[in-house]
Amino acid sequence: DGGITQSPKYLFRKEGQNVTLSCEQNLNHDAMYWYRQDPGQGLRLIYYSQIVNDFQKGDIAEGYSVSREKKESFPLTVTSAQKNPTAFYLCASSIVAGGTYNEQFFGPGTRLTVL
Amino acid sequence: KQEVTQIPAALSVPEGENLVLNCSFTDSAIYNLQWFRQDPGKGLTSLLLIQSSQREQTSGRLNASLDKSSGRSTLYIAASQPGDSATYLCAVLAGNEKLTFGTGTRLTIIP
Repeated sequence: DGGITQSPKYLFRKEGQNVTLSCEQNLNHDAMYWYRQDPGQGLRLIYYSQIVNDFQKGDIAEGYSVSREKKESFPLTVTSAQKNPTAFYLCASSIVAGGTYNEQFFGPGTRLTVL
Repeated sequence: KQEVTQIPAALSVPEGENLVLNCSFTDSAIYNLQWFRQDPGKGLTSLLLIQSSQREQTSGRLNASLDKSSGRSTLYIAASQPGDSATYLCAVLAGNEKLTFGTGTRLTIIP
């Protein structure tokens, strides 16, 4: 089955810890994205990557880091510098970034809770 | 800055009724508009993608329209079913390669 997988489904972090969220896709998409979803707010873009070894900051990149060493994988690290990391994190991909025919497909999400 | 608004935030309708969900955006210079469905605690499922040159798209009981000049889109759901209960999100893609999302309409279909 083609799709996007995220792991873990639930993640608990202690104060001061860095944690890494996994995102893998087998859709052969070039572009991948990370969003954060908070109650009552729209999804907000954290980082996105158009090609391997390249990524750009989104609207709320502070306290987060990413890497794109493989086309299929786009892990997100939530660092201790992120002051309010409790949220639902969603990974997405599209054939290309931007342009008329961009359609984004989403993974099942990871719920991160700070203890 | 693009802003996307979805009103109402919540909607309840009896099973079998037809319904319309609304989405408005402030900047009409968009590439496309996408409608999503989200079930509680789950990821987003893409329902329909409308290109900026199109007026509408249909998939089964769903029909989405786009009026770029007025900055509006509607999602029409025919013959609603309890399984349609979910939050529906719209998002627009502008020239900066980023989707801007609305906050969604939470739809409840009453059996």
